[in-house]
Amino acid sequence: DVKVTQSSRYLVKRTGEKVFLECVQDMDHENMFWYRQDPGLGLRLIYFSYDVKMKEKGDIPEGYSVSREKKERFSLILESASTNQTSMYLCASSTPGGRVEQYFGPGTRLTVT
Amino acid sequence: DQQVKQNSPSLSVQEGRISILNCDYTNSMFDYFLWYKKYPAEGPTFLISISSIKDKNEDGRFTVFLNKSAKHLSLHIVPSQPGDSAVYFCAASGKGGGSNYKLTFGKGTLLTVNP
Repeated sequence: DVKVTQSSRYLVKRTGEKVFLECVQDMDHENMFWYRQDPGLGLRLIYFSYDVKMKEKGDIPEGYSVSREKKERFSLILESASTNQTSMYLCASSTPGGRVEQYFGPGTRLTVT
Repeated sequence: DQQVKQNSPSLSVQEGRISILNCDYTNSMFDYFLWYKKYPAEGPTFLISISSIKDKNEDGRFTVFLNKSAKHLSLHIVPSQPGDSAVYFCAASGKGGGSNYKLTFGKGTLLTVNP
């Protein structure tokens, strides 16, 4: 069974703080993704990575950065948190090739006050 | 520019009846389609998928139908159970999404199955 874990289920931060969200997968997947989910907006892709130290912008990268130093770990960084970044953050992983199913972690509910 | 559309934000059905969730897409380069199910405070879980070379895929109570000419797919759940109550996301993959491993998601449909 694929397992994707996220460092925190719930997080409360203040405006202007630097926030790190960590994601680890145990299936040796090449591809990793960060999404945010907001009511009425579905899942929106922030960044993804298809290899160690490689990253590509998704649909809404503004205000975020990522780091992938090891294959199993993909970090999302909010350089200076703002209230409009209050959201559910979801990490996912997948293998390249024929199968594109992504496996998701449990999510981190981030509140920025 | 929404490439994957789920036009019904919510759907309510009685236990034992059929649930039909619909999804439309605009980009003809999509060639693989997936359905995910999401409970509150949990990550989405993969449910069922279909390749564009097929028009139907079945897995137990879940069947996905694909109509390529109409750029439309639907998920049928028969019989519906209260535990099926969740948000269902339609997703598409293919060169139209920018790469063959990115997924483009719809906004989701909240299914409520009443006992």
